Amino acid sequence: DVKVTQSSRYLVKRTGEKVFLECVQDMDHENMFWYRQDPGLGLRLIYFSYDVKMKEKGDIPEGYSVSREKKERFSLILESASTNQTSMYLCASTSGARENSPLHFGNGTRLTVT
Amino acid sequence: GESVGLHLPTLSVQEGDNSIINCAYSNSASDYFIWYKQESGKGPQFIIDIRSNMDKRQGQRVTVLLNKTVKHLSLQIAATQPGDSAVYFCAEIWRGSQGNLIFGKGTKLSVKP
Repeated sequence: DVKVTQSSRYLVKRTGEKVFLECVQDMDHENMFWYRQDPGLGLRLIYFSYDVKMKEKGDIPEGYSVSREKKERFSLILESASTNQTSMYLCASTSGARENSPLHFGNGTRLTVT
Repeated sequence: GESVGLHLPTLSVQEGDNSIINCAYSNSASDYFIWYKQESGKGPQFIIDIRSNMDKRQGQRVTVLLNKTVKHLSLQIAATQPGDSAVYFCAEIWRGSQGNLIFGKGTKLSVKP
């Protein structure tokens, strides 16, 4: 079974702090994704990566950056956290045959910015 | 805008009954569809998928139907159990999207004992 592990289930940070959300997958997947999930808005794609050191903007990249130094790890960075970044963050991965492969999700990190 | 939507935001069924969750999509270029289940406090869990060259696919107690003529996707759950209570999302991938999923907002399924 694919395992996508997000390092924190709950985080509380202050406005202006730099925040790191970590995600690791154990299936040698090429593709990794970061989403945020908000009531009434569903899942929205922030950033994704198809290979080490590669990154692509998703639908809502503003205020975020990412890092993919190793194939199994994809980090989401909030350079200066703001209250509107309070959300559930979901990491996902899939194999390189992306057209026919479902995403496998972690259990999420619920971030609160005060 | 979002191309995947839902007919009903909530669905309540009696334990043992069959459930049908619907989803509409608007992008005729979509060629791969997935249903996810999300329980409270957990990430979305893959249930079943279907490619656009198929009309129907069955899994264990679940069936996905794809009607490309009206751009409609449905998930049928047989003999619904309390453990099926969750939010269900449909998602699509369309050619040219670089493999990114487009998600519907979800239907909440509640199973009454």
